[in-house]
Amino acid sequence: EAGVAQSPRYKIIEKRQSVAFWCNPISGHATLYWYQQILGQGPKLLIQFQNNGVVDDSQLPKDRFSAERLKGVDSTLKIQPAKLEDSAVYLCASSSLQGTGNTIYFGEGSWLTVV
Amino acid sequence: KNQVEQSPQSLIILEGKNCTLQCNYTVSPFSNLRWYKQDTGRGPVSLTIMTFSENTKSNGRYTATLDADTKQSSLHITASQLSDSASYICVVNSGYSTLTFGKGTMLLVSP
Repeated sequence: EAGVAQSPRYKIIEKRQSVAFWCNPISGHATLYWYQQILGQGPKLLIQFQNNGVVDDSQLPKDRFSAERLKGVDSTLKIQPAKLEDSAVYLCASSSLQGTGNTIYFGEGSWLTVV
Repeated sequence: KNQVEQSPQSLIILEGKNCTLQCNYTVSPFSNLRWYKQDTGRGPVSLTIMTFSENTKSNGRYTATLDADTKQSSLHITASQLSDSASYICVVNSGYSTLTFGKGTMLLVSP
């Protein structure tokens, strides 16, 4: 079974530039998450989708971050304009059912450095 | 406010030795608790998942315990190997996949 795919793996941009990350969840997984993980900390949820609907985006900085999952499968996370404090790993994860004990599977992450 | 506290923050042990990582949580309601292993530069990988009624669950050399009364969990690693060097993250699910993550314990297994 293929895992959660993310790209690009690494990105370096200057502040005020824009960046987009792509995620393809495990086939059949209805729930998709984007997390931000700053070095030395646990992941912080940015947005959670159930199919193509948003379940929770309360911690998403909506003035600069946006995410979409138009067809309920793959998703993109965009940052525009980027700030230095956005330097982090952006993890995409998916699970098959919401609100159950099903395991959440993570991708390898997209490492962003803002200079 | 839901919180998950892990200790120690970091740990160095010799190869072959055992160790125990701690997780205390103040999450309500409680659905389940998971331990993830995160290798440097990789995404987290699930080790165990425990529900309210489960006290102990093993996965190879990893054994997780849960005391729902005291809201504490531990992850015990037996006969450590160099490949166990990683960050171990405790995650509590309060239902509807609302997850609260700990900051993780960084384990280094030294030869």
